[in-house]
Amino acid sequence: DSGVTQTPKHLITATGQRVTLRCSPRSGDLSVYWYQQSLDQGLQFLIQYYNGEERAKGNILERFSAQQFPDLHSELNLSSLELGDSALYFCASSVEGGVADTQYFGPGTRLTVL
Amino acid sequence: AQKITQTQPGMFVQEKEAVTLDCTYDTSDPSYGLFWYKQPSSGEMIFLIYQGSYDQQNATEGRYSLNFQKARKSANLVISASQLGDSAMYFCAMREKTSYDKVIFGPGTSLSVIP
Repeated sequence: DSGVTQTPKHLITATGQRVTLRCSPRSGDLSVYWYQQSLDQGLQFLIQYYNGEERAKGNILERFSAQQFPDLHSELNLSSLELGDSALYFCASSVEGGVADTQYFGPGTRLTVL
Repeated sequence: AQKITQTQPGMFVQEKEAVTLDCTYDTSDPSYGLFWYKQPSSGEMIFLIYQGSYDQQNATEGRYSLNFQKARKSANLVISASQLGDSAMYFCAMREKTSYDKVIFGPGTSLSVIP
């Protein structure tokens, strides 16, 4: 158990809908990262938050947004869902984000868009 | 350009044997970190081992060791005494100081341990 929690574990929804994925980082970790893992794209970095502030953006679509709250939990919002958004979404956390800073991953949320 | 290359999409190893999973990387940053993660069929990503670019010694963690060849930009993972539970996808990843907020992952290698 990495100490990172994600809910829900599975999510099935329809095209055009909006969903929210939730992540609680390990105790003491200030950075939260979101990744998308699909079969054809591999593991893609989406966005990072550090202590409530957006710190880095990767390949995140405009239909997706995220935030980190004062208690350091984070939410990833996915809207106007398309079939291609079906993937495993991971949250990871780390202490702060230096080169040697290890990211610990949550169990993931498997999103299926029908 | 691919920053992380894992040329072995699939590998097989006999139980109790050692196996080496290849990883080469591309960076011009002198300061970087290299990570290996394991992803079993259940889906979770498990951190295995870390190697810093300035580390003099190869990293070891239990049955895992990292064969770090800096000049060749190679960071191969060696698993000794393979176990059935080692069957999984293995990902090599890199973090550069100049863009330390982003961890770049390779495409992964699928390892199957044969009894």
